[in-house]
Amino acid sequence: DTGVSQDPRHKITKRGQNVTFRCDPISEHNRLYWYRQTLGQGPEFLTYFQNEAQLEKSRLLSDRFSAERPKGSFSTLEIQRTEQGDSAMYLCASSFTLGTNGANVLTFGAGSRLTVL
Amino acid sequence: KQEVTQIPAALSVPEGENLVLNCSFTDSAIYNLQWFRQDPGKGLTSLLLIQSSQREQTSGRLNASLDKSSGRSTLYIAASQPGDSATYLCAASNSNSGYALNFGKGTSLLVTP
Repeated sequence: DTGVSQDPRHKITKRGQNVTFRCDPISEHNRLYWYRQTLGQGPEFLTYFQNEAQLEKSRLLSDRFSAERPKGSFSTLEIQRTEQGDSAMYLCASSFTLGTNGANVLTFGAGSRLTVL
Repeated sequence: KQEVTQIPAALSVPEGENLVLNCSFTDSAIYNLQWFRQDPGKGLTSLLLIQSSQREQTSGRLNASLDKSSGRSTLYIAASQPGDSATYLCAASNSNSGYALNFGKGTSLLVTP
C-alpha cells in the first residue's frame, strides 16, 4: 500500500461544468476526510466518512458538492456547476479510528488541484 | 468554532539554528493537536500528534508542546537543516465539532545553507 491516492492530480474546467475527484485511502483505514485548501490558507474541513457513513459535513459543502463512499473504500467528491471560487486544492486524508473517538494521525494524499476558468 | 492562529507567517533562519514555531487556539477543550509539514504543491505529512492529556511529544529533532490552559502549542526544531524548509501547519480538533481538524494558515520556513 503506497498511501492515499488522489485522481486526477490537476483538473482544468470551464465555469458551469461538473467535475469529480476520486480518493483511494489506505486500505485498512476506516475514516476518510475531504479538505479544501486555497493559496496561502490552511486546509478547510469539508466532510468525513466512517466506513460508508458520512458523519459530518461542513457548511462550506454547498448543495453543489456531493461526496460518496459507497463501499467504505474509495470516495468521490463531485462538484456540479463549478464556479471560479471553487478553484482550490482538494485534499483527501484517511485514518484508522476506533468507534466514535477523535481521529488518530491522518495520512493525506497529494491533492487534486482544480482550476475553474 | 475553533480558531487557530500561527505566528510568524514566515521565517528565515541560517542552517544549524534552533527555532520555535507558535500556534494558538481559541477553544481549550481540544481533543488533540497535530503538526503537519507541507512541501510546495504537495499534500500534508503528519509530524507530531499531542493528545489533550499530554504535554509534549518528540520525534527526532522535533518537539511539540501543548498548553491547553493558555491555548498554545509550540513546535521546536533543533539544529535546522535546508531540508526542513517547508510550510508547517498546526491543527486542533474538538469533540464538539465532530473531531474535524481546524488548521492555521501555516508558517513558511526557509532554512538557508
